[in-house]
Amino acid sequence: DSGVTQTPKHLITATGQRVTLRCSPRSGDLSVYWYQQSLDQGLQFLIQYYNGEERAKGNILERFSAQQFPDLHSELNLSSLELGDSALYFCASSESFGGARGYTFGSGTRLTVV
Amino acid sequence: GEDVEQSLFLSVREGDSSVINCTYTDSSSTYLYWYKQEPGAGLQLLTYIFSNMDMKQDQRLTVLLNKKDKHLSLRIADTQTGDSAIYFCAEMENQGGKLIFGQGTELSVKP
Repeated sequence: DSGVTQTPKHLITATGQRVTLRCSPRSGDLSVYWYQQSLDQGLQFLIQYYNGEERAKGNILERFSAQQFPDLHSELNLSSLELGDSALYFCASSESFGGARGYTFGSGTRLTVV
Repeated sequence: GEDVEQSLFLSVREGDSSVINCTYTDSSSTYLYWYKQEPGAGLQLLTYIFSNMDMKQDQRLTVLLNKKDKHLSLRIADTQTGDSAIYFCAEMENQGGKLIFGQGTELSVKP
């Protein structure tokens, strides 16, 4: 157990729907990062939050949004889902902004859009 | 922008050494990392190296950094079947803290 908790582990939904992925960071970590892993794109950085504020944005679609709450858990919202959104979504956390000693990853949420 | 490149596959015999190579483009990267991903699991941090170091050893793992060539390698000594996994090289973007990952190298260890 890495200490980063992601729920749900698996999600199957239809095109056009909206889903919410949840992440609880490791205790004491202030930064949360979201990544998308697909076979053709590899690991793509989506977005980073630090202590509740958005800190960096990557290749995140406008249909996707995220937030980090006062208790530091984070949610990634995916809307108007398309088949191509099927992927593994990882959350990671680190103790400080910049994550000098690397991130701790959760085990991911596997999203299947049918 | 930043880019990290790795070869996609490596196959070795159990007991041999494995060397996984990586090249990166951001010369301002302060930290470089190796992560391991086993099937169905998340990424596990194996080791990291500061950019002012040339080498770091941690039990069976040796990381070599050539800053001039922007080349990073991971050597696994006495490779075991349990080392079969995908290995990701990553560099930390200097100003954002985000990690940029390579495509991953799938290591297959044959008995």
